[in-house]
Formats: sequence, C-alpha cells, structure tokens
Amino acid sequence: KAGVTQTPRYLIKTRGQQVTLSCSPISGHRSVSWYQQTPGQGLQFLFEYFSETQRNKGNFPGRFSGRQFSNSRSEMNVSTLELGDSALYLCASSLELAGVGNDEQFFGPGTRLTVL
Amino acid sequence: DAKTTQPPSMDCAEGRAANLPCNHSTISGNEYVYWYRQIHSQGPQYIIHGLKNNETNEMASLIITEDRKSSTLILPHATLRDTAVYYCIVRPYSGNTPLVFGKGTRLSVIA
Repeated sequence: KAGVTQTPRYLIKTRGQQVTLSCSPISGHRSVSWYQQTPGQGLQFLFEYFSETQRNKGNFPGRFSGRQFSNSRSEMNVSTLELGDSALYLCASSLELAGVGNDEQFFGPGTRLTVL
Repeated sequence: DAKTTQPPSMDCAEGRAANLPCNHSTISGNEYVYWYRQIHSQGPQYIIHGLKNNETNEMASLIITEDRKSSTLILPHATLRDTAVYYCIVRPYSGNTPLVFGKGTRLSVIA
C-alpha cells in the first residue's frame, strides 16, 4: 500500500506570494491533518480535515487555509507569505478522526518551503 | 502546550536496550500515552500507544507506571537506524483532539 505523498517536496517563494501544497493520503484513509515544523517552534498542528470538512484548527492566522476533496486528497494554501513561514509542512493521514477510534497517523515526507 | 517532559538527548550503544523516559504527571484518566519518532528528514512515525497496561509491538514496548504519571519506551535492541527524535504525547482517546508534539528526546545510537 502506497504511503502518504506530498507535492512538491521543495519550494522556494518570495514574500507576498501565495503557495499551495498538496497531500494524497493512504488509500482508504479519510482524515488528513497538516503540521508545520520549524527549528524554533517544533511541530505545530495546523488543521484537520475529514469528509471534506475542517474538523479542527490550530492557532495559526487566517492566511493559512486548506481543503479536502471527495477522494480525501487535501491541499493547504498560504497567502501573503512571510519569511517566518519558511518551514517543513507535514501532512498526516489516518483512518478516522484524530482521537476517534483507529487514529494512528501516517505522515508524509513533507514539503520544505523557503520564503525569501 | 505539550503535557509531557522528556530529556533533550540520550545516547545508547548499538545492540543494547534504549530506555526513553517520559513524565506526564498531570495525565487525566481518559488520556492515552502515544509515542512517535522522527528520523532526520522524514515525517514522524507512529510507534506505540497505551492507557495503563504495558504494551508491546514489533517495534517497541511501553511501560506505564501504576499511577500513570510516567512511562518508558523501550527499544529492546537498538540499531543505528533507531537514531531519531522520540516524542511522547498525551492525548484523549476520544474527542477530536490533535497530536501536540513537545521537543522530544534526541536518541543517538552509537556503534
């Protein structure tokens, strides 16, 4: 069974631009969560999607948004990029919602975003 | 905020057991202990989780104290590939709550 895939793996943008990252979950998984990882703040939860609906959201500004499609694939968007948005963005999929039943999360390799 | 305390780093000789401690003195009755690890340049990987009984799987064993205020993850025969950051996470098993990662323990397995 294929794992979680994320595209692109690396991305360089400049301040003020926007970016869209993509995540394809493991086949059959219905929940997709997004995390941001930086050296200073560590791994921080962004949001979780389940059945095309955002079910949980972390403490990030509205510039960070996401969506999930009917095939469970998910995208996250960051608008008006800032230097501090440079990070590794990780996507994780699970069968069920986080904290509900079989919720072991499988992480993708991440997208490394650099904002210049 | 993370509800666990872990040592920032540990070393372990290859082939020996690696014992990674975690303190979670404020754990609630409905909260489980989860362990994930992150090998350099990869996404985190689930290892094991438990409520109050000791748990074992093909990767590791989890020993939870009787008062549930601390736990130990045991890698029985550490290899160089086990070098990673290990995260101990406390989270309710029901209710839609995300994983909250702390700083973890950086385990270095030495040949």
